[in-house]
Amino acid sequence: SAVISQKPSRDICQRGTSLTIQCQVDSQVTMMFWYRQQPGQSLTLIATANQGSEATYESGFVIDKFPISRPNLTFSTLTVSNMSPEDSSIYLCSVDVSSYNEQFFGPGTRLTVL
Amino acid sequence: AQSVTQLGSHVSVSEGALVLLRCNYSSSVPPYLFWYVQYPNQGLQLLLKYTSAATLVKGINGFEAEFKKSETSFHLTKPSAHMSDAAEYFCAVSVFSGNTPLVFGKGTRLSVIA
Repeated sequence: SAVISQKPSRDICQRGTSLTIQCQVDSQVTMMFWYRQQPGQSLTLIATANQGSEATYESGFVIDKFPISRPNLTFSTLTVSNMSPEDSSIYLCSVDVSSYNEQFFGPGTRLTVL
Repeated sequence: AQSVTQLGSHVSVSEGALVLLRCNYSSSVPPYLFWYVQYPNQGLQLLLKYTSAATLVKGINGFEAEFKKSETSFHLTKPSAHMSDAAEYFCAVSVFSGNTPLVFGKGTRLSVIA
């Protein structure tokens, strides 16, 4: 399996500011995924982060708003920029460990924007 | 493109009763199917997965699901509900065995009544 940690676990931020969320995995993985879970909703994929290349964003998500870094095979960051209350969500990272044929999820970062 | 439909945003059962959570998928190719559980204020935990082996899949905590290609369904069941089963359940699909993001259903909240 894969053990994934995220920092911070939760935060309350003011509108107009930015927050960087860290995701650390205990093993090397090729792909990391970032999802958003808005209150009472399902998970929506924000982007796929492949080490050594630009992240691939889903429709409705742009790099200026959600810049992602992937400096190595065990770490990634997602920044939520110029936040508004609509960005209040849980942000989760996940990895696909192909040998297990399943995705593992981090515990999530619960973000509240005032 | 693949999609997942979960019938019923909220299901309520009595303790000891059968749990049935419905999931139908749409995919142009043979899918990989997953059920995840999310307990309050926690991340996602994999319950079980279908990866083209046996059509009846047994998971953790006494849950199982049956893949029915003719019905494009992957319903989750448990013979006897426990209070600890109260959580949000998500069905998800992917079309590759690895390094592919998941498409999630909207989720079903399971309540268990004593």
